[in-house]
Amino acid sequence: RKEVEQDPGPFNVPEGATVAFNCTYSNSASQSFFWYRQDCRKEPKLLMSVYSSGNEDGRFTAQLNRASQYISLLIRDSKLSDSATYLCVVNPAGTYKYIFGTGTRLKVLA
Amino acid sequence: SQTIHQWPATLVQPVGSPLSLECTVEGTSNPNLYWYRQAAGRGLQLLFYSVGIGQISSEVPQNLSASRPQDRQFILSSKKLLLSDSGFYLCAWSVVSGGTEAFFGQGTRLTVV
Repeated sequence: RKEVEQDPGPFNVPEGATVAFNCTYSNSASQSFFWYRQDCRKEPKLLMSVYSSGNEDGRFTAQLNRASQYISLLIRDSKLSDSATYLCVVNPAGTYKYIFGTGTRLKVLA
Repeated sequence: SQTIHQWPATLVQPVGSPLSLECTVEGTSNPNLYWYRQAAGRGLQLLFYSVGIGQISSEVPQNLSASRPQDRQFILSSKKLLLSDSGFYLCAWSVVSGGTEAFFGQGTRLTVV
């Protein structure tokens, strides 16, 4: 089983739609979680950290479910500019490593 | 503010040639440093990370090596490149205490021919 798993997509959604991505992780002791965004042929950039109580940043909402070992990202009112690959990242407890999922591709269509 | 520099942006190298990629971080001290590789259409694979000068942890056996000669300098090397070494190489840093996000350089796109 991979340490971090994501549905590769692509998710093709119309502008204005709400879309949700899930990510599962295998290490129950993982302590820090993040969502990154990666545009084609560019470096990943932090979208948001994921906190235990859930957190929101504008149109983006992240949730953590430790019992089921998954995190989610919800994007509301999708924009064309949201088209990218979204990477789920886990920092296992007691390590300095960042483990990346393979990413979920999102295409927002006009 | 902190910045990370990585060069070159693109590189085309023949099979069997050596490789040296350099990454430097400015604006912070004693960062954790990382090298990742992303093959075409794939996820990021952690190659090496370092929590201090001269300390290197290797994640994947391969013909690559890493060194950290200075606090904010991280170098990825190979003595003889293979075709399978082609990919997008990314350097990243994070604060030493861990648990916070990592920041990436702009990457080097390596094509081995």
